[in-house]
Amino acid sequence: KQEVTQIPAALSVPEGENLVLNCSFTDSAIYNLQWFRQDPGKGLTSLLLIQSSQREQTSGRLNASLDKSSGRSTLYIAASQPGDSATYLCAVLGAGNMLTFGGGTRLMVKP
Amino acid sequence: KAGVTQTPRYLIKTRGQQVTLSCSPISGHRSVSWYQQTPGQGLQFLFEYFSETQRNKGNFPGRFSGRQFSNSRSEMNVSTLELGDSALYLCASSPNTGGNWNTIYFGEGSWLTVV
Repeated sequence: KQEVTQIPAALSVPEGENLVLNCSFTDSAIYNLQWFRQDPGKGLTSLLLIQSSQREQTSGRLNASLDKSSGRSTLYIAASQPGDSATYLCAVLGAGNMLTFGGGTRLMVKP
Repeated sequence: KAGVTQTPRYLIKTRGQQVTLSCSPISGHRSVSWYQQTPGQGLQFLFEYFSETQRNKGNFPGRFSGRQFSNSRSEMNVSTLELGDSALYLCASSPNTGGNWNTIYFGEGSWLTVV
């Protein structure tokens, strides 16, 4: 059974810092890995998708990497801003078009 | 292009009642999935439909059921509601055409409170 773990569970940083969120998964048989953002009381917003054959994806200040063999992904956020405050969720896509989610990292960026 | 639309956004039900939640996927998307989010269990997969067929089901009791219509719209139903069913129910859609594993897009969710 796939298990996804995210570290840290919570993170508080001053504005402007570069930060790294970690995600690990136990079964390397995945189709892709997606990073999502969730604001309080809201649904999920897709940030980046990395196919299983890819190593990284970039979008603006966000960069996500994938090492499928070791079961790890990282989300790098450059020059953090207060508007980045949210919960970040990592999810891997397995058989049956099913996403398995990590517990999330709750990020607070202080002005 | 409109996103994934879920209705209702908020609802309160009494134990023992049943509830039906609705989801309209992004136009052209044929795969619709449902997830339950609770503070204790996080996000858990309920089931996935593609072209009106349930392709996959998570580890939930039979009280949880769903269906998909020919226009790809989907509904999920929970019968005999329990307090523990209080959660945010999220619907997601993707094209999922052939072997191309696409980005999955989520709706804003339906907040269900069981009292």
